[in-house]
Amino acid sequence: KQEVTQIPAALSVPEGENLVLNCSFTDSAIYNLQWFRQDPGKGLTSLLLIQSSQREQTSGRLNASLDKSSGRSTLYIAASQPGDSATYLCAVLTGANSKLTFGKGITLSVRP
Amino acid sequence: DGGITQSPKYLFRKEGQNVTLSCEQNLNHDAMYWYRQDPGQGLRLIYYSQIVNDFQKGDIAEGYSVSREKKESFPLTVTSAQKNPTAFYLCASRNSDTAGNTIYFGEGSWLTVV
Repeated sequence: KQEVTQIPAALSVPEGENLVLNCSFTDSAIYNLQWFRQDPGKGLTSLLLIQSSQREQTSGRLNASLDKSSGRSTLYIAASQPGDSATYLCAVLTGANSKLTFGKGITLSVRP
Repeated sequence: DGGITQSPKYLFRKEGQNVTLSCEQNLNHDAMYWYRQDPGQGLRLIYYSQIVNDFQKGDIAEGYSVSREKKESFPLTVTSAQKNPTAFYLCASRNSDTAGNTIYFGEGSWLTVV
């Protein structure tokens, strides 16, 4: 059974800092990995999707990397801003039935 | 605009009642999903459907039921058999033809037992 872990559960950083959020998964036979952002009481917004054949994806100040063999992904946020404060979740797509398994998320607070 | 619409946003259920959460998408996606989110628990899959008139149980299907009579609609019924239904419910959809397709989420529905 696929398990996705995100540690720590919460993170607080000063504005302007570059930071890395980690995600690990137990079954490396994945189709893709996605990073999502969730604001309080809202749905999830997809940030980046990395297919199993890719090593990284970039969008603006965000860069996500994937090391399938070691079961790890990182989300790099450059020059963090207070507006980046949210919960960040990673999810992996596995199996013939396209099951998406989520981590519990990392709640990020960027202090002005 | 294309997207996923969940309704109602807030719902209160009395003990012993069944309630139905609506999910409609106009993205022409074939696969639809229902997740439950509890504080500190992340998202857990309740049911999913990859084609009309077919659906599969997820990890926590007990006490829930679904139907998929139309491609764009995937309602979730929370039955009285679900003993702890208070949670945030999220509906999602994607095209399942390739693994590279992003999954899209609705804005969620809050269900509270009173």
